[in-house]
Amino acid sequence: EVQLLESGGGLVQPGGSLRLSCAASGFTFSSYAMSWARQAPGKGLEWVSAIYSSGNSTYYAESVKGRFTISRDNSKNTLHLQMNSLRAEDTAVYYCGRAWYFDLWGRGTLVTVSS
Amino acid sequence: QSVLTQPPSASGTPGQRVTISCSGSRSNIGSNTVNWYLQLPGMAPKLLIYSYNQRPPGVPDRFSGSNSGTSASLAISGLQSEDEADYFCAAWDDSLNGVLFGGGTKLTVL
Repeated sequence: EVQLLESGGGLVQPGGSLRLSCAASGFTFSSYAMSWARQAPGKGLEWVSAIYSSGNSTYYAESVKGRFTISRDNSKNTLHLQMNSLRAEDTAVYYCGRAWYFDLWGRGTLVTVSS
Repeated sequence: QSVLTQPPSASGTPGQRVTISCSGSRSNIGSNTVNWYLQLPGMAPKLLIYSYNQRPPGVPDRFSGSNSGTSASLAISGLQSEDEADYFCAAWDDSLNGVLFGGGTKLTVL
């Protein structure tokens, strides 16, 4: 089955760090760019980051640039998002998506930044 | 804040045709393809339309997309109660070097 499954969300204090993972299955992961988007409670979607299929190019939203790092391990079909210096406004459900245009979405993982 | 502008709400009765607009600029909709997503309550979004007017397998042909200049539209014909959901547009933005999502439109089937 073609699917994406996020993990790693949870409760973290402001200024803390968290690493999200996204396990891909059912398709050739190494052939696709991959992306992250997030959705704050009751709000719309916000694009966070994207990475080329080879991993040699990355893109970030201004709101996370310098704090978040996207990476991938094509040998393990896994996408990561390292999130540092977390703020209350980073609280959201984080989704991974296939390609920049999200033709496939994961179920999401909730990140809550609160003291 | 979203640079792709959508109406916050839309509504229609069963069987009606409704359209949802998405307004952008030359650096996004004016230069790149537009995609549309549907999000049912409590669920992850799902791709509905890509490359302006292409439907992924399984998406009924009641859903169609179009664009003109720096604006795009999603049309839903033969409205059904299960179409009640949030709809988002998205496009790559050449100036930001990233994806922009619209603010979303909540569709109510009366």
